[in-house]
Amino acid sequence: SQKIEQNSEALNIQEGKTATLTCNYTNYSPAYLQWYRQDPGRGPVFLLLIRENEKEKRKERLKVTFDTTLKQSLFHITASQPADSATYLCAPMNTGFQKLVFGTGTRLLVSP
Amino acid sequence: DGGITQSPKYLFRKEGQNVTLSCEQNLNHDAMYWYRQDPGQGLRLIYYSQIVNDFQKGDIAEGYSVSREKKESFPLTVTSAQKNPTAFYLCASNGRTGNTGELFFGEGSRLTVL
Repeated sequence: SQKIEQNSEALNIQEGKTATLTCNYTNYSPAYLQWYRQDPGRGPVFLLLIRENEKEKRKERLKVTFDTTLKQSLFHITASQPADSATYLCAPMNTGFQKLVFGTGTRLLVSP
Repeated sequence: DGGITQSPKYLFRKEGQNVTLSCEQNLNHDAMYWYRQDPGQGLRLIYYSQIVNDFQKGDIAEGYSVSREKKESFPLTVTSAQKNPTAFYLCASNGRTGNTGELFFGEGSRLTVL
């Protein structure tokens, strides 16, 4: 069956460091992979999408990589700030319309 | 402003009662979704709809029902058959043509069964 795995343990880092979050998937052949941010008690907000033919995508302090051989995406936040503290969710997706399935998310805590 | 509006934000119900959660969008999106989120867990798909008057079950549809009579609206009814209805419910939408499937979420409805 299809499975999306994100580290369920919270990631604690110090302000200014780079945070790296992992998304592993099995029994998927996604054409795209999306990343979302969710704050407590709020709906998720879309951050980035990376296509299968893109190795890396950047947006300001965010960087996403996509390795279809390893079936893994890495999400990096450079120069992290306390305001980056949130839960980050990944969602692999195929081409065409489909139901979107999310990973369980990883909580990031950035300390001053 | 375009977006998705969910109501109510907080809802309490007694066991055995049905309750309907509202979801309205003015983004002109074809597709709409309902997810459930339990504390410390990810989003689980309840129902989704690709187009008006059509919807499909997601992974945890038992005890829930939906309708899609208008493009803008996708209400979710939590019935008394749902054994553990206390949860955070999220509605989302996305367009189908010329886009990458980005989901737009509402602010959620928190249902508590007393």
